[in-house]
Order: sequence, then C-alpha cells, then structure tokens
Amino acid sequence: DIVMTQSPDSLAVSLGERASINCKSSQSVLYNSNNKNYLAWYQQKPGQPPKLLIYWASTRESGVPERFSGSGSGTDFTLTISSLQAEDVALYYCQQYYNTPLTFGGGTKVEIK
Amino acid sequence: QLQLQESGPRLVKPSETLSLTCTVSGGSISRSIYYWDWIRQSPGKGLEWIGSVYYSGDTYYNPSLQSRINISIDMSKNQFSLKLRSVTAADTAVYYCARESISCSGGKCHHNWFDPWGQGTLVTVSS
Repeated sequence: DIVMTQSPDSLAVSLGERASINCKSSQSVLYNSNNKNYLAWYQQKPGQPPKLLIYWASTRESGVPERFSGSGSGTDFTLTISSLQAEDVALYYCQQYYNTPLTFGGGTKVEIK
Repeated sequence: QLQLQESGPRLVKPSETLSLTCTVSGGSISRSIYYWDWIRQSPGKGLEWIGSVYYSGDTYYNPSLQSRINISIDMSKNQFSLKLRSVTAADTAVYYCARESISCSGGKCHHNWFDPWGQGTLVTVSS
C-alpha cells in the first residue's frame, strides 16, 4: 500500500496569512506515461463530508477559490492557502489514486491564530 | 446537481452484517466515466477506502476488507450497496458513499478522485 504522511498534524495561522500543508507518499505517484501526479486534496469541515479541492496535484476543482493551490511532484506535495480566511478552518486530507488500495493522509487541522 | 444519500441501520451487532445503500439523484449511475465508491472514517483509522463498483457490476475492493465485503449496483433504482460481514467494534465508523471519476484508455480504466460525497452515516457496532 502507498502510505500518505501529512505534516504538520495541525497549524494555526493568522487571518490573511499563508498556510502550507505537506503530504509525502511512500512511493512516487507520478505516472511517467502521461506525466501526471495521481494526487488529490480535500477539505472537511465539522459534520460535513470531505470536499474535493484539487486533483492531478495542482488542478483546482471548479468553484474552489484561487487562494487554494497545489504543488509538488513524485513523492512530495504541498497544499497552500495563500491568504487564510475564517471559512478555511477545517481538516485537510491528501489522497493518492496511483495504486489500489486508494489511500489518504492522516489529515491536517487548520485553525485561526 | 448530483446528490448521494446513504441509508441503512445505524446499529449493528458484533458478528452480524452491516448493510448500507446509497441512492443517487440528479444523475444516472449508469454513466461509463464513473465508479461508485464506499469510504469510511473512524477516529482510529482516519479515511479508509472500502471499494468501488462500476455500472457493469465490476468491483474493486480494499484487500484489507476483501474477504468480508460485497458491493453491488442496481441501475433500475439508481442505487449501489455495501455489505460488510462479521463486523466488530473496529468497523464502527462514519460510512460515506461517493462518486469516483475515472480515466479510461485502451479499454482499461484508472481510479481517480472522489466527488461528490454523501453526507455520511454513523454505523455503530455494539451488542
């Protein structure tokens, strides 16, 4: 199984400041034949299901604010919130879809400082 | 807008079978560009992919659960279902159904991301 490790477990950021979440996979999720990274990011607010933010590591889902961006390749990825808003308080998860079983990171909790 | 809704018993006794159904509205479950998935979330194990079903009936299971699960699809009702046998307290979790985008080439399809998800249903295993 591909193990997804997120860091930090939690972070507190001031409103308007940048928040960065890291996700590391135990093996590369870059598919050489199409040069795509098989990685997605989700946001989960309390009492709600996860919501897709980003796929192919850096493609923003329709309707997701531009302050959310994804970067990285191979085994190391980052989700960045460029200017944290109050409504961004949530848990964030990465997920690999390179191999089955599909696996998720352990989650990162983002709070307001 | 596509919506998914889980239904089924919220309390299951140990050693019995957990049965859940996901009803899809706002779109057809028979589209060839999607799988239909079950995912669960528990405090101890985080988010765990259970398995997928295709409109053809083909299934893909997490090996850690494969011996105990069955996922099926009913296109006439626009539903898909999960059965998990011989449950224990470790199976207590919020169970989500979700649509999975897939990418197909040369007759072979690849798993992708999940969107949207149902609201989830908490299933507790307890006597």
